[in-house]
Amino acid sequence: SQQGEEDPQALSIQEGENATMNCSYKTSINNLQWYRQNSGRGLVHLILIRSNEREKHSGRLRVTLDTSKKSSSLLITASRAADTASYFCATDYTGNQFYFGTGTSLTVIP
Amino acid sequence: DAGITQSPRHKVTETGTPVTLRCHQTENHRYMYWYRQDPGHGLRLIHYSYGVKDTDKGEVSDGYSVSRSKTEDFLLTLESATSSQTSVYFCATWDLSNTIYFGEGSWLTVV
Repeated sequence: SQQGEEDPQALSIQEGENATMNCSYKTSINNLQWYRQNSGRGLVHLILIRSNEREKHSGRLRVTLDTSKKSSSLLITASRAADTASYFCATDYTGNQFYFGTGTSLTVIP
Repeated sequence: DAGITQSPRHKVTETGTPVTLRCHQTENHRYMYWYRQDPGHGLRLIHYSYGVKDTDKGEVSDGYSVSRSKTEDFLLTLESATSSQTSVYFCATWDLSNTIYFGEGSWLTVV
């Protein structure tokens, strides 16, 4: 399987705290993306980081990529109850096929 | 929002019956994908298409076939549904940009 794995599987934090989730993958990639999924809905794109980038920011999101360890992390700062969702990483190593991880379920407690 | 519509959104079918799920897009994206989502497995790629009549297998293609006769439509067919194919199916499209766009999902139960 080309799937990545997110860690932890589930995360529960208080509103205002930071949430960090990790993604590990298996083969060399072109880029890595993070997606969010609210319960019962489709996935929504959050951010993309290319294989030659080490860190990227978008609003309250910070993504890092370590290609030597084949891992990425997503940091959500100052979390809000509305951030409650599942988060998935997606890797692209072929140029046109995207493989998703198993997801981290984040619960932000008001 | 890439204008992706999946139908049906919910279906219950019996083991051994054929089932077709439809994905319709309005954005003229070249690539289209079918994924299934199951607890503990995340999303797994079933089949994808890189153009009209051009399709290829993903990592869990056994028991599934696809067809794309028009740019806007990508059909997923379960020739003879089994209980192991009970899942949520997502269609997605990609326009060579940074973003994959997803439909809202089709919930399939095989009894």
